[in-house]
Amino acid sequence: EPEVTQTPSHQVTQMGQEVILRCVPISNHLYFYWYRQILGQKVEFLVSFYNNEISEKSEIFDDQFSVERPDGSNFTLKIRSTKLEDSAMYFCASKRTGGESPLHFGNGTRLTVT
Amino acid sequence: TQLLEQSPQFLSIQEGENLTVYCNSSSVFSSLQWYRQEPGEGPVLLVTVVTGGEVKKLKRLTFQFGDARKDSSLHITAAQTGDTGLYLCAGASNFGNEKLTFGTGTRLTIIP
Repeated sequence: EPEVTQTPSHQVTQMGQEVILRCVPISNHLYFYWYRQILGQKVEFLVSFYNNEISEKSEIFDDQFSVERPDGSNFTLKIRSTKLEDSAMYFCASKRTGGESPLHFGNGTRLTVT
Repeated sequence: TQLLEQSPQFLSIQEGENLTVYCNSSSVFSSLQWYRQEPGEGPVLLVTVVTGGEVKKLKRLTFQFGDARKDSSLHITAAQTGDTGLYLCAGASNFGNEKLTFGTGTRLTIIP
């Protein structure tokens, strides 16, 4: 069964550094999302992306965050200047269409900011 | 801000018993989803309920959406050790828009 693939599985970075988290959504999917989960807390919505633009973003998704779909397969989340509180598991998700099409999550990238 | 509270947070029962997990909110959702999450993996969708009062069954799992679309329950009949895991509910304020509000999670342990 097709999967959403995220790399790397674990990223360690120093505070203030830029990180790019990479995702390869399922190939015929059109809607893309990033969520995060701080250790011990709820999964939180960050951003949705459709038709090469952001559809919606949460308050967490400030100017330090950006998303891009640079080619037909990758979907990236960039954090420009990481803070300690950005440490979390970041999940990419995709779905084929709107409506009741199921949402598929990747296995996440654990970001540790030191 | 929409919130979804799940109860109980932790549940440990013997194999073969029945259990119910609850997901409650003061907000109305257009749809509600249940996920299961294994350690080190992303959430995996189990079911989506859309209509108030809707009941969906997935083998031994029964999901119900409240009439007012503010709450949901997951009932497991004759629990098995393979049911052990973290169960998450998530609500969408607009149907098909996966800006989901996730619940606090229920960690279920089935004791053999």
